[in-house]
Amino acid sequence: KAGVTQTPRYLIKTRGQQVTLSCSPISGHRSVSWYQQTPGQGLQFLFEYFSETQRNKGNFPGRFSGRQFSNSRSEMNVSTLELGDSALYLCASSLGGQNLGGAEAFFGQGTRLTVV
Amino acid sequence: AQKITQTQPGMFVQEKEAVTLDCTYDTSDPSYGLFWYKQPSSGEMIFLIYQGSYDQQNATEGRYSLNFQKARKSANLVISASQLGDSAMYFCAMRGRSKLVFGKGMKLTVNP
Repeated sequence: KAGVTQTPRYLIKTRGQQVTLSCSPISGHRSVSWYQQTPGQGLQFLFEYFSETQRNKGNFPGRFSGRQFSNSRSEMNVSTLELGDSALYLCASSLGGQNLGGAEAFFGQGTRLTVV
Repeated sequence: AQKITQTQPGMFVQEKEAVTLDCTYDTSDPSYGLFWYKQPSSGEMIFLIYQGSYDQQNATEGRYSLNFQKARKSANLVISASQLGDSAMYFCAMRGRSKLVFGKGMKLTVNP
């Protein structure tokens, strides 16, 4: 059974550009969550999608957006990149049922974004 | 609001010794799940163990066990017989009715 796949693994962008990151969840998982990890702030929740609908959202500016497709694959977009957006972006998939407390999340290897 | 606290910034342990990683939490959700993840230098978050708030027994997964004390709101991870490959960042996390919330993590170094 394939794990969570994130592409690309590494990305270098210039300030002001936009970027799209992709996440393919484990087969059968309907929930995809995105996290930003930086040395200073740790792991911060961006948003969660379930069945193509955003179910939860963290405290990030509107430059950060996402979507989920009918096959549960998800994309995250960051527009007008800033230096502070440099981070490891992690995607997690889970079954996503109503019993959220028991929904183990399995992570991809992440996309390391560097903004210069 | 949910909060996870990991106060140990780093720990050193000798190979084959047991080690306990501390985690305390706070939540108003009546039902929640507690998780531990390992993050090696490669960056991937590896799921280790899960404990449900209504589970009567402490969770165990191989060399990992979770010491769950609900009244004290603690969920410490115990690694028995440490191995060199256990050297990594360890994150405690909790999920209630919404998102998965992580602690700041702690770095474990296993010495030969």
